Amino acid sequence: EIVLTQSPSTVSLSPGERATLSCRASQSVPMSFFAWYQQKPGQAPRLVIFGASNRATGIPDRFSGSGSGTDFTLTINRLEPEDFAVYYCQQYNNSPFTFGGGTKVEIK
Amino acid sequence: EVQLVQSGAEVKKAGESLKISCKVSGYTFSDYWIGWVRQMPGKGLEWMGIIYPGDSDTRYSPSFQGQVTISVDKSLNTAYLQWSSLKASDTAIYYCARHSHRTQYTTFDPWGQGTLVTVSS
Repeated sequence: EIVLTQSPSTVSLSPGERATLSCRASQSVPMSFFAWYQQKPGQAPRLVIFGASNRATGIPDRFSGSGSGTDFTLTINRLEPEDFAVYYCQQYNNSPFTFGGGTKVEIK
Repeated sequence: EVQLVQSGAEVKKAGESLKISCKVSGYTFSDYWIGWVRQMPGKGLEWMGIIYPGDSDTRYSPSFQGQVTISVDKSLNTAYLQWSSLKASDTAIYYCARHSHRTQYTTFDPWGQGTLVTVSS
């Protein structure tokens, strides 16, 4: 089973700042099989990035994904109030298609 | 529009059985894998397993194998998650989600609204 470790667990930022979230995999994951999800309180998760760097439908271009192998990054430029949420990474190359533990982006 | 609508919240006692549902619309049910994800109170997302409605091919996470059963009823366009004997540790929100393309090697998109299961000891 591939273990995904996200860091930091919580990041405190102000609107307009940049958020950089990391996800490290216990073994290499092809870029095509890596995703990020956003979850707001009381809501279901929402797909943000697929294939490591592709924005999902309706996701603004301030969101970008990068990385390869075992290290992946989600960057959110110019944080908007609606971006404060928990973000999860996921690999969907090897079953079970595991999630990371999440990073909470909170308002400073 | 693709929609996944889950059954309502449940309150059960330890040892009881339960089956929750996920009714889909807006696409051909048999063509896309559907999965279940657990979220325990205040915790992260856990991938439980997936099923292909076309032939009921099912894959479970080792953590959930033998603990739950995933099934479908193609005539009702509905997927199910069931327990034969609930434990207090099964208390969680359970989400169903469809794979975004006609292969299991894709993301979960879209998701159902979640079903809260509360189990008292």
